[in-house]
Amino acid sequence: AQTVTQSQPEMSVQEAETVTLSCTYDTSENNYYLFWYKQPPSRQMILVIRQEAYKQQNATENRFSVNFQKAAKSFSLKISDSQLGDTAMYFCAFIYSNSGYALNFGKGTSLLVTP
Amino acid sequence: SQTIHQWPATLVQPVGSPLSLECTVEGTSNPNLYWYRQAAGRGLQLLFYSVGIGQISSEVPQNLSASRPQDRQFILSSKKLLLSDSGFYLCAWSVTSGSSYEQYFGPGTRLTVT
Repeated sequence: AQTVTQSQPEMSVQEAETVTLSCTYDTSENNYYLFWYKQPPSRQMILVIRQEAYKQQNATENRFSVNFQKAAKSFSLKISDSQLGDTAMYFCAFIYSNSGYALNFGKGTSLLVTP
Repeated sequence: SQTIHQWPATLVQPVGSPLSLECTVEGTSNPNLYWYRQAAGRGLQLLFYSVGIGQISSEVPQNLSASRPQDRQFILSSKKLLLSDSGFYLCAWSVTSGSSYEQYFGPGTRLTVT
């Protein structure tokens, strides 16, 4: 079974600071994809960043970057220069290749950015 | 550009009543389509996925069903709702050509079963 674990149910960070959200996963596959999605209070799911397992270089999208440790099966998200608009639920997700490439989600981390 | 629609946005239904949620995608052809459910304070659970017209795969056995009558239309149904069916239902689409596997989500339907 493929599982995704987010061990931090809630986190808080001050505006302009940096925060790291953790995610670990378990899979027997060698080629796969990992994602971070953001769900603000509007509940719209928004893709934040994507990482291909065969790429050693960590993905970066503006203020968002990942630390991908394939051997450790770890996929953390770093948010730099946090902004109030970053307040949201963040979900780590893994491609479920034997289910039509459906996403297998962790339970999420609720991030609050304070002034 | 591609867009995805879901309706209704909000629904309150009594236990035992039928359900029909609709999802349509514009701007792409032959997408993979997905239904997820998010219970209060929890992550997303895959319910159904479809890789083509009339092709439905179920991940969780329950009283819900799905259909794909057209390439870009995905419907979630139930004949008799249970209290446990309450939640936030999200439809998503993706293409798997090349190396792109990200999914794009609709705005969701909030279902309350009373």
